[in-house]
Amino acid sequence: QSVLTQPPSVSAAPGQKVTISCSGSSSNIGINYVSWYQQLPGTAPKLLIYDNNKRPSGIPDRFSGSKSGTSATLGITGLQSGDEADYYCGTWDSSLSAGGVFGGGTKLTVL
Amino acid sequence: QVQLQESGPGLVKPSQTLSLTCTVSGGSISGGSYYWSWIRQPAGKGLEWIGRIYASGSTNYNPSLKSRITISVDTSKNQISLILSSVTDADTAVYYCARAGGGYWFDPWGQGTLVTVSS
Repeated sequence: QSVLTQPPSVSAAPGQKVTISCSGSSSNIGINYVSWYQQLPGTAPKLLIYDNNKRPSGIPDRFSGSKSGTSATLGITGLQSGDEADYYCGTWDSSLSAGGVFGGGTKLTVL
Repeated sequence: QVQLQESGPGLVKPSQTLSLTCTVSGGSISGGSYYWSWIRQPAGKGLEWIGRIYASGSTNYNPSLKSRITISVDTSKNQISLILSSVTDADTAVYYCARAGGGYWFDPWGQGTLVTVSS
């Protein structure tokens, strides 16, 4: 059971837009930055979004992030077949059980 | 740019100790305000944060693993290490090391190393 909650799967057609939600609580997303990762099959995760909505160098602006209250959202526009991957959200939990936490991951299928 | 590479035994017997090393190249572990983290992923499952260390040696551990974990740093070798004691089948996973930024983001990641716990 992951601390952050993501939908197990989402799907959309090429060229369309998709959003992936990440729900947390007042001790994690509510007070800390959120990051997002893309994991292609058989590879290590790759940072897509940090500090809620910033993109590292080299990440196209088709990828966007937002945060509101205790939830965060990853948006992907202009879907491509190469976007088919697992996506994870992550943050820090500042409760008594402090530490890094991740969502369970969302499998994106490009139809 | 900074690159990370994990190394260590791929097979560990139950109840024994898992020991992994992460070698950092292209930059100094002591340079910048970064933590260096370990994260694992069982096959077909999600990511689990194990712990992190600062160049000074300050650590934070996952509370669920804290009693079995030691993370250390060797700045002279530009390496961090993970020791996980009393392993069980549940510790079978791909283990990643990653640089961690102040906003609790992880980048870059090593390629990961598969550790199987089996007799």
